[in-house]
Formats: sequence, structure tokens, C-alpha cells
Amino acid sequence: GDSVTQMEGPVTLSEEAFLTINCTYTATGYPSLFWYVQYPGEGLQLLLKATKADDKGSNKGFEATYRKETTSFHLEKGSVQVSDSAVYFCALLTQGGSEKLVFGKGTKLTVNP
Amino acid sequence: NAGVMQNPRHLVRRRGQEARLRCSPMKGHSHVYWYRQLPEEGLKFMVYLQKENIIDESGMPKERFSAEFPKEGPSILRIQQVVRGDSAAYFCASSKKGEQFFGPGTRLTVL
Repeated sequence: GDSVTQMEGPVTLSEEAFLTINCTYTATGYPSLFWYVQYPGEGLQLLLKATKADDKGSNKGFEATYRKETTSFHLEKGSVQVSDSAVYFCALLTQGGSEKLVFGKGTKLTVNP
Repeated sequence: NAGVMQNPRHLVRRRGQEARLRCSPMKGHSHVYWYRQLPEEGLKFMVYLQKENIIDESGMPKERFSAEFPKEGPSILRIQQVVRGDSAAYFCASSKKGEQFFGPGTRLTVL
């Protein structure tokens, strides 16, 4: 079945450092791909998405590009802030029938001042 | 436009009791999804409902768990005879079609 594998955490960075969180997927066809962010004690917020190959999703300085050839959707940010500290989830939307999200295990990011 | 509402936010139950979790979708959304997040894990799909119908319950445990989304009122996830392993955060999401919007979750603790 469909699955998502993302980089295990936790990840600890200093403010203004470069961030990469790797995400790869296994799926039938070409699903839509998402990054969600979860702040402590809160629900998930959509950070960005891409619906087809070579699409680049971007939001709040974060970017991810849908790479069909490597089945990847890595999250990047050039300069992280303390306020980016959260858990980040990569997910795909299954196709056909019920459209449900399949999530990776999450990567906890801590940014220190 | 209010987002997805879930209540209660925190729920404590003793083993053997029943837990009822409620989810009110965003206005105009007729699709509801329930996900469970175990400690240190990602979210796992449980069930997908449209008004009065269960579309996909492939992620629901076969026993003790049930879900409904009546014509009027919120969607309910019901867990009977809770056990310690049911302790988790339960998230509801709603959509018209496509993007799912998540509620803040209900954190269930079973003593």
C-alpha cells in the first residue's frame, strides 16, 4: 500500500541555519503531496502542497518540490527561526475511492536562539 | 468562518468506560475524516464519513470503535470499554473535496 518515509528526528538547529527534512513516498500513480506542521498542543496546519510532478509548493519561506523520478518531496528553508520549532509531517493523499492522507512519522525540529 | 471544532479537548477515562469524541466540520464541508496519533507516531487514518454514510472504515479497529456523521449535528467517534492502549490524540479533519482542514484534536487518557 501507499506509504511515506521521512527523516527521523529530532533535529536541532541554530537560528538562521539551513533546514532540510527528507521525505520519500511509495504510491500507485501520482498522488498529491503535503507538508503539515504541528505546534505543541495544537492540531495540524497545512504548510504547503504540490499536486503534480515538478510542482514546487512554498509558504512562509519553506519550499518543497515534487520529484517524480526520486519519489521525493523534501522540505527546505534557507534560514530558520525560533518560531519554526514544531513537528513536521510529510503526507500523501491516496487516489481512487476514499481520499485519505497517509502520513510519515513526523520530524521534531527545535531551533535555538 | 470557524474552523473545525473538536470537543472535548482533553478527556480522561478509566478502563472499561466509554469515550465519545465530537467533531463539527467547517461550514459547507460534508466530508469528515478521523485520524489517531499515538505517542511519538504520525497520524493514522481511521475512518472517512460523508453525511449519514461511512465511506471507508479500513483504519478502524474491528471491535469497540464506531463512528457516525448524522444528518444534523457533529460527527461522533465512540470508543467502548476503553483500554490503556486507546490513549492517544484523535484528530478530525473536514473537506468539501480535496484539501483537509484539521481540528485541534481530543487528547484521550485512559487510566
